[in-house]
Amino acid sequence: DAGVIQSPRHEVTEMGQEVTLRCKPISGHDYLFWYRQTMMRGLELLIYFNNNVPIDDSGMPEDRFSAKMPNASFSTLKIQPSEPRDSAVYFCASSRVPRYEQYFGPGTRLTVT
Amino acid sequence: KQEVTQIPAALSVPEGENLVLNCSFTDSAIYNLQWFRQDPGKGLTSLLLIQSSQREQTSGRLNASLDKSSGRSTLYIAASQPGDSATYLCAVSPGGGAQKLVFGQGTRLTINP
Repeated sequence: DAGVIQSPRHEVTEMGQEVTLRCKPISGHDYLFWYRQTMMRGLELLIYFNNNVPIDDSGMPEDRFSAKMPNASFSTLKIQPSEPRDSAVYFCASSRVPRYEQYFGPGTRLTVT
Repeated sequence: KQEVTQIPAALSVPEGENLVLNCSFTDSAIYNLQWFRQDPGKGLTSLLLIQSSQREQTSGRLNASLDKSSGRSTLYIAASQPGDSATYLCAVSPGGGAQKLVFGQGTRLTINP
């Protein structure tokens, strides 16, 4: 299997612009997670889906962030408008029952200037 | 609220030594515990997953143990090699929801040739 796929790998944008991050989970996995990693806060769970349905979005920092999963093989994380404090590495991960072992993608490094 | 602590934050040892990385968590009601490796600028690679009913898991030179009652896990690395240099992260899935992972801040390991 190709593993979790994320795009783009790097994104540089100006404050106020819309940013869309993309993720393709491992085929057959029914859970998908979005994380953010910064030096200050470490790894934080933003939101996760089960069978394409959002289950817990309590980690989403504010209304500027939104996530969708229109089908089992694709998810997006959107930031609108972006701010410099959103600069971080965003990871997507997927897992499946019964082990729930999470597999991570390579991440998207976002820089907002 | 579950909290995960990894001590030390950084560790440097000569090649060939056996070493132990520590992870502690505050709530013993967990579903599973996962150890990851992260190389600089890369995603997370799952090393070992221990279910709450298990005491240990082994993969090659790695052995992870779990003591739920004391809220502790250790990752043992035998005969360390320079290629083992990376950040090692511990994460627990809290009881009541097998899906979410709460991460420690990691131990940055350097193996000196």
